[in-house]
Amino acid sequence: DAGVTQSPTHLIKTRGQHVTLRCSPISGHKSVSWYQQVLGQGPQFIFQYYEKEERGRGNFPDRFSARQFPNYSSELNVNALLLGDSALYLCASSETGQKAFFGQGTRLTVV
Amino acid sequence: QKEVEQNSGPLSVPEGAIASLNCTYSDRGSQSFFWYRQYSGKSPELIMSIYSNGDKEDGRFTAQLNKASQYVSLLIRDSHPSDSATYLCAVSGGYQKVTFGTGTKLQVIP
Repeated sequence: DAGVTQSPTHLIKTRGQHVTLRCSPISGHKSVSWYQQVLGQGPQFIFQYYEKEERGRGNFPDRFSARQFPNYSSELNVNALLLGDSALYLCASSETGQKAFFGQGTRLTVV
Repeated sequence: QKEVEQNSGPLSVPEGAIASLNCTYSDRGSQSFFWYRQYSGKSPELIMSIYSNGDKEDGRFTAQLNKASQYVSLLIRDSHPSDSATYLCAVSGGYQKVTFGTGTKLQVIP
């Protein structure tokens, strides 16, 4: 079975631009969560979706948004990129929202 | 007070020794506890989950949970150099977000 897949793996954007990151969960998993991880820190919770509904939102500005599609895949969108948005963005898939399995991540660099 | 606290390390142990990693959490309502291993430049990999007080063993790994003390630990027996990584403690309170600590860097010295 395929694991969690994220695309793209690496991305370079300019300040002020918009970015969309994509995630496909493990087959049968209905929950997708997004995390931001900066160097030397643990993953910081951004959003959780379950059955296409937002179940939780972390302490991130409104520039960050997400959605989950009927096939349970998900997108994370970030508007008006700042240098501080440079990080590893992780998508985690789970059956119920707890025991989570991560994708390989998208390394976003904002210049 | 951070929600999930870990000593950032690095924790250095000789090959073959037992590595002991510790974590404390602040939310008494937490129900699910996880340990993830993260190699440099890679994404976290789930290695252990524990939900009730006591010990849970899986191969060379043992997770220990004490809800009264709000304390979770991970023991790695017979440490290998390949165990060198950052170990993340994660805590969840039911159908809610999983909160991570900052991680403890483990170095196993050959």
